Amino acid sequence: SQQGEEDPQALSIQEGENATMNCSYKTSINNLQWYRQNSGRGLVHLILIRSNEREKHSGRLRVTLDTSKKSSSLLITASRAADTASYFCATDRSANTGNQFYFGTGTSLTVIP
Amino acid sequence: KAGVTQTPRYLIKTRGQQVTLSCSPISGHRSVSWYQQTPGQGLQFLFEYFSETQRNKGNFPGRFSGRQFSNSRSEMNVSTLELGDSALYLCASSSGQRGISGQFFGPGTRLTVL
Repeated sequence: SQQGEEDPQALSIQEGENATMNCSYKTSINNLQWYRQNSGRGLVHLILIRSNEREKHSGRLRVTLDTSKKSSSLLITASRAADTASYFCATDRSANTGNQFYFGTGTSLTVIP
Repeated sequence: KAGVTQTPRYLIKTRGQQVTLSCSPISGHRSVSWYQQTPGQGLQFLFEYFSETQRNKGNFPGRFSGRQFSNSRSEMNVSTLELGDSALYLCASSSGQRGISGQFFGPGTRLTVL
């Protein structure tokens, strides 16, 4: 079963604007990851944040993690048309013994040129 | 390094048949995971293999099985196909060490069951 939910389900913005999407999850985690998926293709790993980290940056991406609220957010700054894709968060539960990730439902982002 | 490759990319089968999907991980990666993606259920974890052993298993019926070879290549088999098995099947590889890096996904195999 899925671990969590992304919010919003769909987001449409103008090029140059910032996009924020949120992820909530249910159990204790070891780490949380964000992935991007272009239509019908494989997922691309964007960023990993560990449970003892609160914020992480990678280029135009900023991820925050609040373990007390069991939530994370992904901010894409200065968006581009090429950022149009679905974005998923994936959690690695603390109880896991290996690589077993639970994906959220995804946010579909459309960046209008 | 070459990325994760999956074959075939597209497959059409009929109910009751069986199918085998193949995944070649990134060189040096020992962990291979399989996921099923459908519009209704999203991304669901099937199983993970590490050094030829199944290390984790999701909540799928026994019709779904897999294996991993000594070169880390993995196969997934679905027997007695049902219409609901139509999905994008994604394979992901990683070093196997938790929390070090994310998983690297292949392009997927699109399975259609008629």
